[in-house]
Amino acid sequence: DAGVTQSPTHLIKTRGQHVTLRCSPISGHKSVSWYQQVLGQGPQFIFQYYEKEERGRGNFPDRFSARQFPNYSSELNVNALLLGDSALYLCASSSGTSGGLETQYFGPGTRLLVL
Amino acid sequence: AQTVTQSQPEMSVQEAETVTLSCTYDTSESDYYLFWYKQPPSRQMILVIRQEAYKQQNATENRFSVNFQKAAKSFSLKISDSQLGDAAMYFCAYWGYGQNFVFGPGTRLSVLP
Repeated sequence: DAGVTQSPTHLIKTRGQHVTLRCSPISGHKSVSWYQQVLGQGPQFIFQYYEKEERGRGNFPDRFSARQFPNYSSELNVNALLLGDSALYLCASSSGTSGGLETQYFGPGTRLLVL
Repeated sequence: AQTVTQSQPEMSVQEAETVTLSCTYDTSESDYYLFWYKQPPSRQMILVIRQEAYKQQNATENRFSVNFQKAAKSFSLKISDSQLGDAAMYFCAYWGYGQNFVFGPGTRLSVLP
């Protein structure tokens, strides 16, 4: 079975632009979470979606938004990019059946560089 | 807010030896879960082991075991018979009901041949 997939693998943008990152969960998983991992730090929680509804939101500005589609894939959108948005963006999928606690399976991430 | 601290930015261990990675956390909750995740240089994060706070018995997964001290809010990971493939960043993480996952800053483990 395919694991969690993310696209693109790498992305370079300039300040002020917007970006869309994509994630496909493991087949059968209904929950997707997004994390930002700045170099040298642990992942920071951004969003969790379950059955197309937002289940949790981290401490990130409104420039960050996400959505989940009927096939459970997800997009993370970031508007008005800042230099500080440069990071590895990780997507994790889980079954979604335990109120938010399930083993999370991570994708390889999208490396975003903002110039 | 819950916080997770890993006081060892880097650790090294000789192949076949044992190493312990430290993690402390802060919470006012009584029921929660703790995790250790491994992130090899290829970046894909992998779950190593998890512990439910209501269980007194320490979790074990093959060569990986934890020392969970609830009162001290400590959750260390012991890796026995270290192998070259164990070299990675290790993240301690916390999850509580109705809350979000909180990760620590990580410990970079090197395994020396």
